[in-house]
Amino acid sequence: DAGVIQSPRHEVTEMGQEVTLRCKPISGHDYLFWYRQTMMRGLELLIYFNNNVPIDDSGMPEDRFSAKMPNASFSTLKIQPSEPRDSAVYFCASSLGKLAGGPDEQFFGPGTRLTVL
Amino acid sequence: QKEVEQDPGPLSVPEGAIVSLNCTYSNSAFQYFMWYRQYSRKGPELLMYTYSSGNKEDGRFTAQVDKSSKYISLFIRDSQPSDSATYLCAMSGSSTLGRLYFGRGTQLTVWP
Repeated sequence: DAGVIQSPRHEVTEMGQEVTLRCKPISGHDYLFWYRQTMMRGLELLIYFNNNVPIDDSGMPEDRFSAKMPNASFSTLKIQPSEPRDSAVYFCASSLGKLAGGPDEQFFGPGTRLTVL
Repeated sequence: QKEVEQDPGPLSVPEGAIVSLNCTYSNSAFQYFMWYRQYSRKGPELLMYTYSSGNKEDGRFTAQVDKSSKYISLFIRDSQPSDSATYLCAMSGSSTLGRLYFGRGTQLTVWP
């Protein structure tokens, strides 16, 4: 398996523009997570899905952020309009959920480095 | 108060040193205690995990959990420059619905 795939790897945009980040989870994984990582705040959970249904979006900073998962193999995180404070690395991760006798191991993609000027 | 607290460092040690990384937590329902390692410009990867209290050893790495104190540790023996990374603790339990609760991560540099 290729692992979790994210695109683009880098994104530079100007304030006010719409940004769309994409994620393809590992095939067969039931959970998909979107995180944001900054030096100041560390790794923050934005939203996560189980079987394509959003379970918890309390980490989404404001209405400018939205996420969708139209099917089991694709998810998007959209920021509209973007602001400089949205600059961060955005990670997508997927998991099988709790395995018998094991933890909820999450597999992370390489991240999208977003810079909003 | 955050569910999981972790000192972000940075921590800088010479090669061969013993490294101690720690996290505290507030949710007594956590049962799985994990350590993820994140190299620069990469995503985090699971390094090792422990279920409930006790110790677990994997090569130069030892994970310890003290549930009575809500305190977990990761020890690295004979540290190597290749251990330079950010280490994030993460926790989950039967009630966390597939979610992991992460610490902020501690940035470690091992210099030769």
